[in-house]
Amino acid sequence: EVQLVESGGDLVQPGGSLRLSCAASGFTFSTYWMTWFRQAPGKGLEWLANIKQDGSERSYVDSVKGRFTISRDNAKSSLYLQMNSLRVEDTAVYYCATERPGSSCSDHWGQGTLVTVSS
Amino acid sequence: DIVMTQSPASLAVSLGERATINCKSSQSVLFSSNNKNYLGWYQKKPGQPPKLLIYWASTRESGVPDRFSGSGSGTDFTLTISSLQAEDVAVYYCQQYYGHPYTFGQGTRLEIK
Repeated sequence: EVQLVESGGDLVQPGGSLRLSCAASGFTFSTYWMTWFRQAPGKGLEWLANIKQDGSERSYVDSVKGRFTISRDNAKSSLYLQMNSLRVEDTAVYYCATERPGSSCSDHWGQGTLVTVSS
Repeated sequence: DIVMTQSPASLAVSLGERATINCKSSQSVLFSSNNKNYLGWYQKKPGQPPKLLIYWASTRESGVPDRFSGSGSGTDFTLTISSLQAEDVAVYYCQQYYGHPYTFGQGTRLEIK
């Protein structure tokens, strides 16, 4: 069974940094594109970034480009999101997800981790 | 960026009746080389992660009840729930995965009338 477990969410001050982790199990992690999404309170879903199986390709939404970095460690079956220069508007539940092989929609999701940016 | 626009924003349907949600993209998400529409539909319930319902605009994900169906091509798409069940109360999102960033519609809140 595919399992994705996010961790690292916390309360952080504006301008601060946080690193989210996503531990994967139940599938061959190194063969999947992976993605980070978020949902701010009362708002819709937002695609943030994705990363190719070997880490050689990464894409970001403009709102996080230059501040967030997606990475992975296939030996540890783990996905990461390094978040710097955090803003109040980055407050959200952050989800990691697999990309369905052959397409780029996301078929397995973690339960999410809450990031709160506030002074 | 490709802008996804859903309608209506909210919808109330009686149990057992049909629910229809529309999604329009600002440019075509049909990839001509494989004739596939890069469009998915997700269901989101409070406190739960999103659930993929439909991909390639009309292919039902494994385990999704057959009352859910997707249709459309190019820029106009529809998610139909043929006979609404109580457990279908949720917010529904379309997402294009044709080009980065993979954008979502704003969501349609589905309730029981």
